[in-house]
Formats: sequence, structure tokens, C-alpha cells
Amino acid sequence: EAGVTQSPTHLIKTRGQQATLRCSPISGHTSVYWYQQALGLGLQFLLWYDEGEERNRGNFPPRFSGRQFPNYSSELNVNALELEDSALYLCASSLVQGPRRSGANVLTFGAGSRLTVL
Amino acid sequence: QKEVEQDPGPLSVPEGAIVSLNCTYSNSAFQYFMWYRQYSRKGPELLMYTYSSGNKEDGRFTAQVDKSSKYISLFIRDSQPSDSATYLCAAQKTSYDKVIFGPGTSLSVIP
Repeated sequence: EAGVTQSPTHLIKTRGQQATLRCSPISGHTSVYWYQQALGLGLQFLLWYDEGEERNRGNFPPRFSGRQFPNYSSELNVNALELEDSALYLCASSLVQGPRRSGANVLTFGAGSRLTVL
Repeated sequence: QKEVEQDPGPLSVPEGAIVSLNCTYSNSAFQYFMWYRQYSRKGPELLMYTYSSGNKEDGRFTAQVDKSSKYISLFIRDSQPSDSATYLCAAQKTSYDKVIFGPGTSLSVIP
């Protein structure tokens, strides 16, 4: 079974440009999560999509946005790039099955997209 | 104050040692507690999770949660060089909620 795949692996942009990162979840998973992992800051929650809807958003400015497509793949867009946006962007998927599901929400992560802003 | 805190290390131990990794959290609404392991240039992978307070054992790994003190621990027995990685604790209020991660502790097991 294919895991979570992310593209591109590496991306180099300059300040002010836009970056688009892509994620394909595990087959059958309906939820996609995006996290930013900057040096020394750990994983910071960015966005959560489930069944095509944005369910939750972390404490990031509006220039971070995304969407989930009907096939559950997802895109993260970062506009007006700043130097501090340089980080590893991790996508994870899970099968949440709605609010009444019990048990921890186990996330399966991709290998990440390394964004460098010059 | 971050919702989940842990000492970033680095922690260096000899092969065969018992390793203790610890986290604290501030939100008493957290019910699910997880440990993820992240190797260099890879995404995190789930090691184990616990619900509410108590212990859970899986091979050489034991996870412990004390909700009264808001303390999460992971013990690794007979540590191996292959255990060298960053260990991330995480917490969640309900299963239909975002997962909040600590900053991670870097562990090196020296042969």
C-alpha cells in the first residue's frame, strides 16, 4: 500500500513569491493535515481538511491557505513568502470517520516538502 | 505557554541503557496522548498511544500518562543505536480534533 506522498521534495523560492505544495493521502483516508516543522520549533499545526472541508486552522496568517480535492488529495499554498517560511512542511492523513469515532486519531506522515525562501 | 512542552535535548546514552523521555502539557482537556518517532529526513511515525491516565507497553517501549500532574513519559529499555531519532510527544482532546505536538527530543544511542 502506498503511503502519504508529498511533492515537491525540495522547493526554492524568493521573498514575495508563492509556493504550492501537494499531498496525496493513503488510499481510503479522508482527512489531511498540514504541519510546519521549522528548526527548533517542532511541528506547528497549520490546517486540517476532512471530506473536502476545512475543519481547523492553526495560528498562521491568511497567506497560508489550502484545499482538499474530491479525491482527498490536498494542496497547501503560501503567498507572499517570507524568509521565516523556510521549513519542512509535513502532510499527514488519517481515517477519522467523524466526531463520534472513538480512539486516538492516528496520523500517517509523508516525508515532507522542504521549502527554502531566499 | 505552549500546550505541549518537552526538553529538546540532545540526549546521548550508551547502548543498552534505559531511556526516559518526558513531556508536560497544559490543557486538561487532552485525553489522547501519543509518541511519534522521527528519523532524519523522514516524516514522524507513530510509536504508541494511550487514552487518559495509565501505562501501555509495546516491546521495549512503555508509555506512561499521569493526568493529575499533566506528565507524559516514554521509557525505552535496552536501547539500540537504531533508536537514535527525534521523539515527539503529542496530545489530542478528542479523536475528531487536531493533534498538538511537542518540539521533540533528539536521542542518540552510542554503540
